[in-house]
Parts: sequence; structure tokens; C-alpha cells
Amino acid sequence: EIVMTQSPATLSVSPGERATLSCRASQSVSSSLAWYQQKPGQAPRLLIYGASTRATGIPARFSGIGSGTEFTLTISGLQSEDFAVYYCQQYNDWLTFGGGTKVEIK
Amino acid sequence: QVQLVQSGAEVKKPGASVKVSCKATGYTSTNYAMYWVRQAPGQRLEWMGWINVGNGNTKYSQKFQVRVTIIRDTSASTAYMELSSLRSEDTAVYYCARDNGGILDHWGQGTLVTVSS
Repeated sequence: EIVMTQSPATLSVSPGERATLSCRASQSVSSSLAWYQQKPGQAPRLLIYGASTRATGIPARFSGIGSGTEFTLTISGLQSEDFAVYYCQQYNDWLTFGGGTKVEIK
Repeated sequence: QVQLVQSGAEVKKPGASVKVSCKATGYTSTNYAMYWVRQAPGQRLEWMGWINVGNGNTKYSQKFQVRVTIIRDTSASTAYMELSSLRSEDTAVYYCARDNGGILDHWGQGTLVTVSS
């Protein structure tokens, strides 16, 4: 099973600043990497797939980069609605998810 | 618009089974597979199983293989996930999610299953 590791577990950021989230795979997943946002009491929402392609309706302040085993999600100019938990997920070999990064208000 | 609507919360005793439904609207359900994913308190999301809604083929995660069954009713555009031999550790929110090549592009609202004596 491919293990996905996210860091940091918690990120404290002020509104308007940039957040950088990392995700590492235990073996190469090529570009088969998605990012999801989850708010309390809600289902996850797809943000990014193919490591860097924004899903329909996702604002341009969300960007993803990476391939192989190292991936990054950047949120530029954090807005109040962006404070949430973010998960990465590989789909190169069925599915596995990272443990999540909570982006909280500083 | 695409919607996945799941059945309501359940409370079950240890050893019992639970069956969760997921009705798809807004698209042709047989054109997409479906994943079932669960989220236990404090745990990461984990996939349980997958069904090709068109032909009924399934694939189960090794962790759940002996206890989970996923079926579909194409006439009702509904998929079902049944988990048996429930234990307290199965207390979790269970989600169905549309499979778009491994990308989960639409999710159900989640079904809380509580296992308690």
C-alpha cells in the first residue's frame, strides 16, 4: 500500500497570507494526486487533480505542483472560507489518503 | 447537477450489520464507478470498496474484504454498502463518492454509523 504523509499537521496562517502544504508518497504515484478540502460536518470537496489541475469552480488562489513522490498545495491570499482541513490522495494504485493538514487562523 | 444522497444515521449493536444507500442524480449512474470511503474519529479517510456501476464488478480493500459487500440497483441509480460484524471501531462517517478515474469528484453527504452496546 502506498503511504501518504502530509506536513505540517497544523498550519497557523493570518488571513491574506500564503499557506504551503506538503504531501509525500512512499513510492512514486506519477501525477495521480488529488487534493481535497474538508470543513467541519461536511464531505470533502475536490480542489486539485492530476497534481496541478484545478477542479471546476475552484478559485485560482489554489495551486498544486509536484510529481513522483513530492507534492505541494499552495493557497495564496487566504480567505476566511479557506480555513479547513486539506487532504491529499493518490490514485495511482487504488486510493490512499494523507492524514490531513489543518489550516487555522493565526 | 450531480448529487449523491445517502441514507440517514444508524445506531447498531456490536456484531450487527449496517447497510448504507447512495442515490445518484444529475448524471447517468452507469457511466461512473463509485467508491465507498469512511472517516473514523481522529483517523484519516480510508477507502473500503469500489463498484463498477455499469457491470457490477467490485473491488474491496484488503482491510474490509471479509466484512463489506457493495451492490448497485441500476433501475434506482442507487449503490449500497453493507458492513457486517460491526465493532466499536467501525463508528465512523461513511461516504459514497463518484469515481472519475480515481478522482472523487462528487461526494455524498455522509452517513454516521455509531456502534454501541
